Amino acid sequence: SYELTQPPSVSVSPGQTASITCSGDKLGDKYACWYQQKPGQSPVLVLSQYNKRPSGIPERFSGSNSGNTATLTISGTQAVDEADYYCQAWDSTRVFGGGTKLTVL
Amino acid sequence: QVQLVESGGGLVKPGGSLRLSCAASGFTFSDYYMSWTRQAPGKGLEWVSYISSSGGTKYYADSVKGRFTISRDNAKNSLYLQMNSLGAEDTAMYYCARDTEMGTLPWGQGTLVTVSS
Repeated sequence: SYELTQPPSVSVSPGQTASITCSGDKLGDKYACWYQQKPGQSPVLVLSQYNKRPSGIPERFSGSNSGNTATLTISGTQAVDEADYYCQAWDSTRVFGGGTKLTVL
Repeated sequence: QVQLVESGGGLVKPGGSLRLSCAASGFTFSDYYMSWTRQAPGKGLEWVSYISSSGGTKYYADSVKGRFTISRDNAKNSLYLQMNSLGAEDTAMYYCARDTEMGTLPWGQGTLVTVSS
């Protein structure tokens, strides 16, 4: 079965750029999107499979997907961005990465 | 606004069954694929199943194939997940969500399923 690998944790200082990677075999050939989940809340789509932001998501969220790696980039990271982030690949089925805990300190 | 409200979770004994429901409102339900995703306590997200807008196409994660059945009633704007032969590994929060061309959004608030004797 298809697998996606994310780093368990990423730390960033406020105002700096955070990058979260997601690796999978030929991931660039698939649709990939990113979700943010804060404690006690449901996941929220932050970057679409066309690397576009849904309505209401700040411009500081961006991404790329090529080769075997998709990357979520948060520019000018704010304390409110501290959360778990999950990548997801779409083909005939759907697969989530294991999640990355972003700490802003 | 788009709203998804899950129900039907609860405590069930190993080997038991449960049927989850998801009531949709604020959009044309019959136009969209829908999916179920679960999250075990303290763990990551695990995709469970999705169903096409007409209900004619269904896919399942290997972990639930043969035990879970996804279905929908477009006349009632409702999505369902029939879960049989439940085990401790199925204990999780179950989320209903709408699949769009951008991704899965929005998600419901979830319904908790606990499998324990």
